[in-house]
Amino acid sequence: GAVVSQHPSWVICKSGTSVKIECRSLDFQATTMFWYRQFPKQSLMLMATSNEGSKATYEQGVEKDKFLINHASLTLSTLTVTSAHPEDSSFYICSAIRLLSPQETQYFGPGTRLLVL
Amino acid sequence: AQSVAQPEDQVNVAEGNPLTVKCTYSVSGNPYLFWYVQYPNRGLQFLLKYITGDNLVKGSYGFEAEFNKSQTSFHLKKPSALVSDSALYFCAVRDVERTDKLIFGTGTRLQVFP
Repeated sequence: GAVVSQHPSWVICKSGTSVKIECRSLDFQATTMFWYRQFPKQSLMLMATSNEGSKATYEQGVEKDKFLINHASLTLSTLTVTSAHPEDSSFYICSAIRLLSPQETQYFGPGTRLLVL
Repeated sequence: AQSVAQPEDQVNVAEGNPLTVKCTYSVSGNPYLFWYVQYPNRGLQFLLKYITGDNLVKGSYGFEAEFNKSQTSFHLKKPSALVSDSALYFCAVRDVERTDKLIFGTGTRLQVFP
């Protein structure tokens, strides 16, 4: 149990376009979902925290108008990279905290690799 | 501010030999510590965590970690490495102020040679 999926796993887009990435908890309800960004050979950088039905909380330095997060249900959160540029190319990973589980236990999705040309 | 450090970018070990991946932490108060593993182009998989209790924590895939308060360390260990253990390993600590937030180290790439 506790499976998190992401879609798409790979996306290539042109500069200036917007890209939407979905994060779903397949077999559990998630109170909170997180979005991370991972650069090559670097650690995960937390971008934002989203709770179902409320606005996402962004980490310092992350542009909320650039990275739109919607958490429409207890099983789905989406990250939209608006007007993507080559510097937005990265590996984006989501994670989820299971309802009624310890807050520190996060279940991670497989990641989405974004390449902006 | 709390943090974790993984001093080694890469660890190389021969299959069958014991392995250790190092992690030190800096936290005010009692730490909640974690190890995650990441395979290529994949998300992170939880290996084990320490919250309280025995200093030796056993986790998935035969891994264990030893919490050492005096040395502020939480090294990951396995008695006999497998080639399939080759991956990127992350140590993490729970944020003291935000209990749902994890702070990750920079990762250590483990390479197990046949």
